[in-house]
Amino acid sequence: EAGVTQSPTHLIKTRGQQATLRCSPISGHTSVYWYQQALGLGLQFLLWYDEGEERNRGNFPPRFSGRQFPNYSSELNVNALELEDSALYLCASSLADRDYQPQHFGDGTRLSIL
Amino acid sequence: GQQLNQSPQSMFIQEGEDVSMNCTSSSIFNTWLWYKQEPGEGPVLLIALYKAGELTSNGRLTAQFGITRKDSFLNISASIPSDVGIYFCAGQLVPGANNLFFGTGTRLTVIP
Repeated sequence: EAGVTQSPTHLIKTRGQQATLRCSPISGHTSVYWYQQALGLGLQFLLWYDEGEERNRGNFPPRFSGRQFPNYSSELNVNALELEDSALYLCASSLADRDYQPQHFGDGTRLSIL
Repeated sequence: GQQLNQSPQSMFIQEGEDVSMNCTSSSIFNTWLWYKQEPGEGPVLLIALYKAGELTSNGRLTAQFGITRKDSFLNISASIPSDVGIYFCAGQLVPGANNLFFGTGTRLTVIP
């Protein structure tokens, strides 16, 4: 079974640009989560999508946004990039939540802002 | 956001030794999970805990969900070189919120 896949692996942008990161969940998983892992820090929750809807949002500015497509894949968009946005962006997926379902992670997209 | 205090920050141990790390919070968590992350990879789920007092094993790994629901520990027995990595605890605060809060990680180095 294929795991969570993310693309691109690395992305280099300059300040003020926009970045789009993509995620394909494990087959059968309908929930997708996005986390930011800045250097030396733990993971910070960004966004949760389920069945195409945004279900919850972390403490990040509105220039962080995303969407989930009918095939349950997801995009994370970051507008007006700032230097501090440089981080590893991790996507996770899980089965639909009846009782809590554990999240499984991809290997991330390393976003570097110059 | 919620703060999960994970300790120790780093450990250097000899191969064959046992390892213990823990995670505490000022808030009650509904679920505790332990992940391992190696360089260039995403976190890999090791153990998930769903009930207070629950003790769960996965090979040489054992984790417990604290009775107060505010803490969890992870033990690794008879460490081997491939145990090297960063171990993160994570918790789900309330049912239905789904987002995880993560500890700052324990970096484990195993000396052969």
